[in-house]
Amino acid sequence: EIVLTQSPGSLSLSPGERATLSCRASQSVNSNYLAWYQQKPGQAPRLLIYSASDRAAGIPDRFSGSGSGTDFTLTISRLEPEDFAVYYCQQYVTLPVTFGGGTKVEIK
Amino acid sequence: EVQVLESGGGLVQPGGSLRLSCAASGFTFTSYSMAWVRQAPGKGLEWVSSISGGGGVTFYADSVKGRFTISRDSSKNTLYLQLNSLRVDDTAVYYCARGQGIGGYSGLDYWGQGTLVTVSS
Repeated sequence: EIVLTQSPGSLSLSPGERATLSCRASQSVNSNYLAWYQQKPGQAPRLLIYSASDRAAGIPDRFSGSGSGTDFTLTISRLEPEDFAVYYCQQYVTLPVTFGGGTKVEIK
Repeated sequence: EVQVLESGGGLVQPGGSLRLSCAASGFTFTSYSMAWVRQAPGKGLEWVSSISGGGGVTFYADSVKGRFTISRDSSKNTLYLQLNSLRVDDTAVYYCARGQGIGGYSGLDYWGQGTLVTVSS
């Protein structure tokens, strides 16, 4: 099983600041089959990034994904008020599909 | 507009059964894999099961294998999850989600709002 470790567990930032979230895999995620999701309280997750760096439909360009192998990053270039949420990474290169434990981005 | 809408959650005793449904609309149902993902109260996301677009290939997390069954009915554009031998630690919000392709598992691009399953005596 590929274990995804997200860091930090929480991040306290102000609107307009840059957020950098990390997702480290216990084994290589070949073909970059890695996605990022945003979840707000009481809501379903929303797909932001797939294949490590491709933005999903309708996702603003302030969200970007990068990385390969075992180290992946989600960057939010300038935080908007609606971006404060929990973010999860997911690998779908091999079974079982696994999610990271999440990073909570909080308003400072 | 793509929509997926879950139903069927509720309170059930340990050892009991429940069937969840997910009605899909706004896309060609058989062209996409589908999945169930759950989230225990206050916890993170856990993949439960996936099924290919044609329904012929299924995948399960070890934690539910042999107890849960995923299926789909293309005539009704509906995904199902049969939950048997339920345990207290199956308590969670169960989300239905569309896969990005026709294969077994992938990124999940459209999610329902979830249905709560509570297993308690």
